Amino acid sequence: DTGVSQDPRHKITKRGQNVTFRCDPISEHNRLYWYRQTLGQGPEFLTYFQNEAQLEKSRLLSDRFSAERPKGSFSTLEIQRTEQGDSAMYLCASSQTEYTEAFFGQGTRLTVV
Amino acid sequence: EDQVTQSPEALRLQEGESSSLNCSYTVSGLRGLFWYRQDPGKGPEFLFTLYSAGEEKEKERLKATLTKKESFLHITAPKPEDSATYLCAGRGGATNKLIFGTGTLLAVQP
Repeated sequence: DTGVSQDPRHKITKRGQNVTFRCDPISEHNRLYWYRQTLGQGPEFLTYFQNEAQLEKSRLLSDRFSAERPKGSFSTLEIQRTEQGDSAMYLCASSQTEYTEAFFGQGTRLTVV
Repeated sequence: EDQVTQSPEALRLQEGESSSLNCSYTVSGLRGLFWYRQDPGKGPEFLFTLYSAGEEKEKERLKATLTKKESFLHITAPKPEDSATYLCAGRGGATNKLIFGTGTLLAVQP
């Protein structure tokens, strides 16, 4: 088991472009979470899956953000029409059950120029 | 609104100088209090889970404790390699998501 894997590790994009990030959770982990973290802040909840079902989406998440988890395996997070305010570290985590600890990937650092 | 607050924001210690980090929480139906360590540019690394008041967990120089309102991370005789940001998170609410504090940036000087 290699842990939670995120790709890419770094992404620089121009304002207005679309970007997509991928997360591969630990195998057999049913729960998958996306968080966003800016400098000096704790991770901020974005959305959350139980297998392939998206159970909750943060009110802070605009319509430009969409996430999927087809077949309950890997997940993608897409940001359309990126803005400078989207620059942040995007973190993915997975847990075996709703009560157990979540393990994080190394994150994708997004810079919008 | 569910909330987790950590203090202090930053802490500088001399090597060997023990101290404690605080995590206060107001999370409805708390189903676990979690501590993570985060190094710059990396994802959080899981340290401990605490489920009930009075519970304690230890790992090397770190010990986490939990009361009904707060959790403490005690660091005994820290070393420079303990320098990192320590994050606290409460799990609760209708969907059991993790709610994080803003972290404590710990610097241990040799």
